[in-house]
Amino acid sequence: EPEVTQTPSHQVTQMGQEVILRCVPISNHLYFYWYRQILGQKVEFLVSFYNNEISEKSEIFDDQFSVERPDGSNFTLKIRSTKLEDSAMYFCASTDKAFLYEQYFGPGTRLTVT
Amino acid sequence: AQTVTQSQPEMSVQEAETVTLSCTYDTSENNYYLFWYKQPPSRQMILVIRQEAYKQQNATENRFSVNFQKAAKSFSLKISDSQLGDTAMYFCAFMNYKAAGNKLTFGGGTRVLVKP
Repeated sequence: EPEVTQTPSHQVTQMGQEVILRCVPISNHLYFYWYRQILGQKVEFLVSFYNNEISEKSEIFDDQFSVERPDGSNFTLKIRSTKLEDSAMYFCASTDKAFLYEQYFGPGTRLTVT
Repeated sequence: AQTVTQSQPEMSVQEAETVTLSCTYDTSENNYYLFWYKQPPSRQMILVIRQEAYKQQNATENRFSVNFQKAAKSFSLKISDSQLGDTAMYFCAFMNYKAAGNKLTFGGGTRVLVKP
């Protein structure tokens, strides 16, 4: 069964550094999402992406965040200057046009900012 | 803006028994889906069950069923014949499928512990 993959599984970085989280969505999917989950809290929407542009973004997704689909297979989330409060689990999800209600989640990347 | 509330932070149940998780939501929309996701200790998000708001019939997936009360904006999950593998966090989620981003809005989660 096709699945969404994410790399790395765990990333440790120092405050102020840039990080790029990578996702490979399911190959025929066209809609992509990033969510985050701070430890012990609920999953929060960050951004949705379709047709090479952002469809919607949350208040969390400020100028420090950006997304890109650089090569037709990867979907990346960049945090330009990480803060301690960016420490969280980041989930990528994807879906296709016919089944917008079924978002397939990747296993997540745990980001630790020290 | 939509909000999703799960009032039970934690529940425990004996193996083979039944447990019901509560979820309420607030929206002015008519076109939406509701979901229950399971998050085991591995933290992978797994879709358990989905309910379309326009359908009156409650969704069922094997041992999992929902009680969808649209007027009351209530969406509870019943796990029957609980198994040890059901131990996980369970999140209720809302999606307005007419909105541009089709984002999921999650509740705060209910931790379910199945005891042998």
